[in-house]
This record gives sequence, C-alpha cells and structure tokens, in this order.
Amino acid sequence: DSGVTQTPKHLITATGQRVTLRCSPRSGDLSVYWYQQSLDQGLQFLIQYYNGEERAKGNILERFSAQQFPDLHSELNLSSLELGDSALYFCASSYPQAPIDEQYFGPGTRLTVT
Amino acid sequence: AQSVTQPDIHITVSEGASLELRCNYSYGATPYLFWYVQSPGQGLQLLLKYFSGDTLVQGIKGFEAEFKRSQSSFNLRKPSVHWSDAAEYFCAVGDITTSGTYKYIFGTGTRLKVLA
Repeated sequence: DSGVTQTPKHLITATGQRVTLRCSPRSGDLSVYWYQQSLDQGLQFLIQYYNGEERAKGNILERFSAQQFPDLHSELNLSSLELGDSALYFCASSYPQAPIDEQYFGPGTRLTVT
Repeated sequence: AQSVTQPDIHITVSEGASLELRCNYSYGATPYLFWYVQSPGQGLQLLLKYFSGDTLVQGIKGFEAEFKRSQSSFNLRKPSVHWSDAAEYFCAVGDITTSGTYKYIFGTGTRLKVLA
C-alpha cells in the first residue's frame, strides 16, 4: 500500500458525460501527478500540481482539467467524454527530494466510457 | 524527445529460471531511471531506481538493475523467478519540465508470465 488513495475504483459512464476522479496523496506529500494508462498510448503523464499550483503539463486534453485543494487532495475532471477516454487513471504523489522526487502511485481509477 | 523503449512486450520464463528485462532510454543528460511493477488490478510499485554512483543497483523482491551508459540501457534482472513475479514491468526515466520539476516517461511495459 503506497498511501495514495484514489476514488472511485471503477467508473462507467456514457459518451458526452463528465466525471471527476479524486486522489488523496500520502501524508506530507505536496505534489500530485496524474497519469493515463491506455492500451494504445501506454502510461502518459497528464499534469502535476505542487501545493495547490499547477507545475507541469503533459499530454492533457483541453476537455480535461485538474486542481489541487488546500488539503492537498486533487481532482481530475474529464468532460465531453469519448470512447477513447476509456483508460486507467493513476495519481501519484511525492515530496521534494534531491535530485528528483520519487513518485508513489495510487491503485488507479478504471474509467469505461460506453 | 526523451523516450524509453522496452523491446519485449511479453516474456515467459519457468519458475526458478533467471530473468532479464530490457530497457533502453534516450536522454541527453544523466538519466534518472526507475523500474516499476504493476500486478493485476494494482497500482505501480517502485522496484528500484538509479540516480548516480554504483551502476548496479539493488531493489526490492530480489531484483537488481545495471546502468550501462555506453549502451543507454538499464536492464532489470532476477536470478531466480518466483510465480508471484508474474506482472507487468515498466521502465521509466525522469524528464525535467520547464518548471524544473520532473515528470516520468514510461516505456510500454513488459508482461511477464511465469510457468510452474
């Protein structure tokens, strides 16, 4: 158990809908990262937040957005869902370390868009 | 662009046999390298990491990896595989972003099957 929690575990929804995925980082961690794992794209970095502020962006679609709240939990919002958004969404968290933060991954949320 | 290649999509070994999973990276500077394991229905667990120093690094569950700069490789090894090692293995490199933080770039993964 990494200490990172994600809810819900599974989510089934229809095309065009909007969903929110939630992530609670490990106690003391300030950074939250979101990754998407799909069969055709593999594991891809979406976005990072550090202490409430966006720090880095990866291959995140404009239909997707995220935020990190004062209690450091994070939410990933996916809107106008398409079949291709079906994937496993991972959250990871870290605290500042040198030379590079070590990321701890949650169990993921499996999103199925029908 | 930085990239990680895992040439083997699937590998099957017998229990007790040795294992080597290949990973090649493309990165301009000194790479920060990781191996993660993903068991079915689970998240990713860090097996080991390489930042600098000794090129042979030891990890959890009896795994080790060797960094070879000349070959741009970071192969994962285990001398004797157990049935519980059946999982998917991901190699990753830390890639610096414009804000100075690091994101991970993952390979496509190698699925390991262990025969009894």
